[in-house]
Parts: sequence; C-alpha cells; structure tokens
Amino acid sequence: GNSVTQMEGPVTLSEEAFLTINCTYTATGYPSLFWYVQYPGEGLQLLLKATKADDKGSNKGFEATYRKETTSFHLEKGSVQVSDSAVYFCALSDLGYSGGGADGLTFGKGTHLIIQP
Amino acid sequence: KAGVTQTPRYLIKTRGQQVTLSCSPISGHRSVSWYQQTPGQGLQFLFEYFSETQRNKGNFPGRFSGRQFSNSRSEMNVSTLELGDSALYLCASSLAASPDEQYFGPGTRLTVT
Repeated sequence: GNSVTQMEGPVTLSEEAFLTINCTYTATGYPSLFWYVQYPGEGLQLLLKATKADDKGSNKGFEATYRKETTSFHLEKGSVQVSDSAVYFCALSDLGYSGGGADGLTFGKGTHLIIQP
Repeated sequence: KAGVTQTPRYLIKTRGQQVTLSCSPISGHRSVSWYQQTPGQGLQFLFEYFSETQRNKGNFPGRFSGRQFSNSRSEMNVSTLELGDSALYLCASSLAASPDEQYFGPGTRLTVT
C-alpha cells in the first residue's frame, strides 16, 4: 500500500535558519505529492504541490522537488520566521496503475516545527 | 470566496450514542473528503464523495458512514460511539475528484466520554 514517512520532531530552529524537512514515500502508481501546514487550532492549509517527477512546488518561500528516483519530496526554506512555527504534513494522492480513483490523501505523521526568535 | 465550513466545531458525546457532523464545501467544489486526526494514528482517510456518490472509502468500520447532498454539502455519521472515536474530524473539498488538491475546513473536535 501507499505510505509517507517524515521526521516527526519537534524540530527547533532559530529565526533565519535554513529549514529542511525530509519526506519519502511509497506508492503503487503515479502519485501527486503535497505539503500541508497546520497552525494551532486550525485545519490544514495546502502549502505546495507537485504532480509529476522533477516538478518543483513553491509557495511563501517554501519549495520542494518531486524526486522519483529517490521517492522523496523534501521541504526546504532558506530563512525561517517565527510565524512558520506549525506542524507540516507531507502527503500523496495516488491514481494507481489503472489510473482509476485514488483513496484520498495518504499523510505522513507530521513534523512539529518550532522557530525561536 | 468562503472556505470550507464545518459544524459543530466542538462536540461531547457519551459512549454508545451516535453523532452527525456537517461540512459545507467551497462554492463550486463537487468533491468532499473526510479524515480522522488523532495523536496516535495521525491523519486517516475516511471516505470521499463526488456528485452524491461515495467514491472511495478508507479502512474504518461500518459505524462510520456519510452522504453528500445535491448542493455538495456532506454529512458524516458515527453510530455506537466508542472512546477511541475521540478525534478531530476534518472535511476537505476539491473542485474535482481526487487526486485534485484539497482544501480543508477547521475540523470538528469530537470527545467521547
């Protein structure tokens, strides 16, 4: 079956530090890959996505590249801010070999990011 | 454009009772998915509805059911509540069926005592 693995943290960084959150996946078909962010007390917000190999998704200074050869979709940001403190989820949606319906999003466990001023 | 809304936001029920949660998708979105979020299991897919038809279902017992109305609003029902059903239930809508990108509501926090 499909699965997503990511570091759970908490990951604590100082403001303006470089951020990498690793994400690797297992899928039977041709997945689309997503990063979602969840702020305290809120639902998930789509941060960025990539739908095919070598695509780069980017938003709000965050970026991630779909690497099929390493089955990875690592999230990076060059200079984090206190306001980036949140839980980050890597997820995939898989069409499967048949190209038929996907079984919703498969999520990683989430990475709790804490940015200190 | 208004986002995904879920009602109620908080709910406390007793073991053995049943509960109905409601989700209104973003205007124009035809697909609604439901997820359960718990500290132990993380985010797990419950089911997806598209044009009033259940398209996919996750690995949950039959006590969990849902439906979608002609205006794309969706309800989720849990019967015979168990303590382990305590969770944040998230609804997500998308323009088309998955794997289209999904937009999440704030969730309903269900506590079963």
